[in-house]
Amino acid sequence: EADIYQTPRYLVIGTGKKITLECSQTMGHDKMYWYQQDPGMELHLIHYSYGVNSTEKGDLSSESTVSRIRTEHFPLTLESARPSHTSQYLCASSEGRNTIYFGEGSWLTVV
Amino acid sequence: QKEVEQDPGPLSVPEGAIVSLNCTYSNSAFQYFMWYRQYSRKGPELLMYTYSSGNKEDGRFTAQVDKSSKYISLFIRDSQPSDSATYLCAMSASTGGFKTIFGAGTRLFVKA
Repeated sequence: EADIYQTPRYLVIGTGKKITLECSQTMGHDKMYWYQQDPGMELHLIHYSYGVNSTEKGDLSSESTVSRIRTEHFPLTLESARPSHTSQYLCASSEGRNTIYFGEGSWLTVV
Repeated sequence: QKEVEQDPGPLSVPEGAIVSLNCTYSNSAFQYFMWYRQYSRKGPELLMYTYSSGNKEDGRFTAQVDKSSKYISLFIRDSQPSDSATYLCAMSASTGGFKTIFGAGTRLFVKA
């Protein structure tokens, strides 16, 4: 069973606010990811990391930023939230190419 | 054309039916094949993982890979209402980085 934790699970915030979605994993995985998924829609990779101090943008352009200062921690930040950022954000990690483990997701609503 | 194609459904079956879920792909370099189950408002959960071609069985679930046809399947025997979820296929190659490509997911409803 995967040990990857996301907080908050649900968040409603006003336009223009800064938010950070937290993600932690206890499996010691080098690779971590952030996906964005609208209800009933596909997963879109927005950020990934090979390891500490390594971050890359994914396939879907996103105004969010990420950091990887510790192996187990991969937070995602939106400096100024907009209604278009309303979505589910899924954090994941993996050791190899075959088994990606997901967190429960963070549901963000920007009003 | 997408690298991975998956019928979005929805697929509705009666309890106890055998369910067949499928994906096709275009990249012959894919060698790792996964199936995930995602319940509403939850993250995807890894169900099955298969390397290269062949079959793999785990309880009521069987994963099949046919690399010659670029076609993978997930079979669910004796389906239960608790199997109602979205099923995503995923695959990756052994070269060219670690990128995993996900299908769009098939919504399955198992009626009691």
